[in-house]
Amino acid sequence: AQSVTQPDIHITVSEGASLELRCNYSYGATPYLFWYVQSPGQGLQLLLKYFSGDTLVQGIKGFEAEFKRSQSSFNLRKPSVHWSDAAEYFCAVAADTGGGNKLTFGTGTQLKVEL
Amino acid sequence: DGGITQSPKYLFRKEGQNVTLSCEQNLNHDAMYWYRQDPGQGLRLIYYSQIVNDFQKGDIAEGYSVSREKKESFPLTVTSAQKNPTAFYLCATEGRGYGYTFGSGTRLTVV
Repeated sequence: AQSVTQPDIHITVSEGASLELRCNYSYGATPYLFWYVQSPGQGLQLLLKYFSGDTLVQGIKGFEAEFKRSQSSFNLRKPSVHWSDAAEYFCAVAADTGGGNKLTFGTGTQLKVEL
Repeated sequence: DGGITQSPKYLFRKEGQNVTLSCEQNLNHDAMYWYRQDPGQGLRLIYYSQIVNDFQKGDIAEGYSVSREKKESFPLTVTSAQKNPTAFYLCATEGRGYGYTFGSGTRLTVV
């Protein structure tokens, strides 16, 4: 069965600083990987996804992620954080069920941005 | 606008009561999912459905039931057998090209 580990429960960065959120996955086949963001009391919004091809994936809001098969990682990065980026971030891996994809989520990383 | 509508936004349940959470979509997506979210535990899959009149148990299906009579609708019933139902519930759909679209959630509280 697939699994996702987000080792950092909370991260605090200063506005304008760079950001990296870690994600490690476990999956037997080629993974489909995702990053989502959630504001308090809201649903999840897709930031970016990796299916195949270029291992550096660009997403919305200036985020990018790099797939590293040798390290089973899919870390999320942003060069300069804005105060509005404060939210909870979830990494997820998809397992093909034959008619859809079950997503398995990590436990999330709460990002706080200091002004 | 296409999207997913979850209702109500807040729901209160008395002990021993069944309650139903609504999820409606107009995205014409085949697959629909219900997740439960608890602080520090991420999202856990309750049930999912890939076509009308068919659904599968997820990782934490005990105490929950669903139906899928129409493509647009995938209601979740939290039964009295669910001993710890207080949580945030999220409905999602999946279209071609992978990636889920999420509703805005229902917060259920036992009173």
